[in-house]
Amino acid sequence: GENVEQHPSTLSVQEGDSAVIKCTYSDSASNYFPWYKQELGKGPQLIIDIRSNVGEKKDQRIAVTLNKTAKHFSLHITETQPEDSAVYFCAAHSGSARQLTFGSGTQLTVLP
Amino acid sequence: GAVVSQHPSRVICKSGTSVKIECRSLDFQATTMFWYRQFPKQSLMLMATSNEGSKATYEQGVEKDKFLINHASLTLSTLTVTSAHPEDSSFYICSAKPSERVYEQYFGPGTRLTVT
Repeated sequence: GENVEQHPSTLSVQEGDSAVIKCTYSDSASNYFPWYKQELGKGPQLIIDIRSNVGEKKDQRIAVTLNKTAKHFSLHITETQPEDSAVYFCAAHSGSARQLTFGSGTQLTVLP
Repeated sequence: GAVVSQHPSRVICKSGTSVKIECRSLDFQATTMFWYRQFPKQSLMLMATSNEGSKATYEQGVEKDKFLINHASLTLSTLTVTSAHPEDSSFYICSAKPSERVYEQYFGPGTRLTVT
């Protein structure tokens, strides 16, 4: 089955700097890659996603890149703000499995 | 759009009792809903996949008789934790996949269950 690895597990950045979180996946059949933001005591919130036929997608300060050949995808947050502090999860969807496989999560802390 | 609610948000129950958690898709129909369990500082663990009008599919190691799932309508799925024990204490989160979408899932706010 699919295996998703996520790095780093914790990340601290100064407000205004950029943050990058990376994930790798194992199943070459995976074709959908969402990113979720989870604040303490809340459910995950979908913040951006990308399909396998696209290499990059951007939404304001958030962007995701996908390298299908290397089987890795990354979340980029620019001009970070304290409210960006949360746990971020990447995931991969394999059509055959019909479910999402999640990474282990990254605790992002934006220092004021 | 794509709002999922859960009720209750927090519940405390005594050991041996049963607890029902509701998951509703508020502005879309969801043929498929998912139930996850999350331990502190860990990732989401899929417990079961719920399809409207049919039996749920449980992940390996999840007791189907302990975690009863019902998906009776296109907007409602319920998880009942039967004969709860302290080790069942956890954060339970549901997600719903809009019927017309292939991949996207939207999560509820979660339910904190504490069994005393």
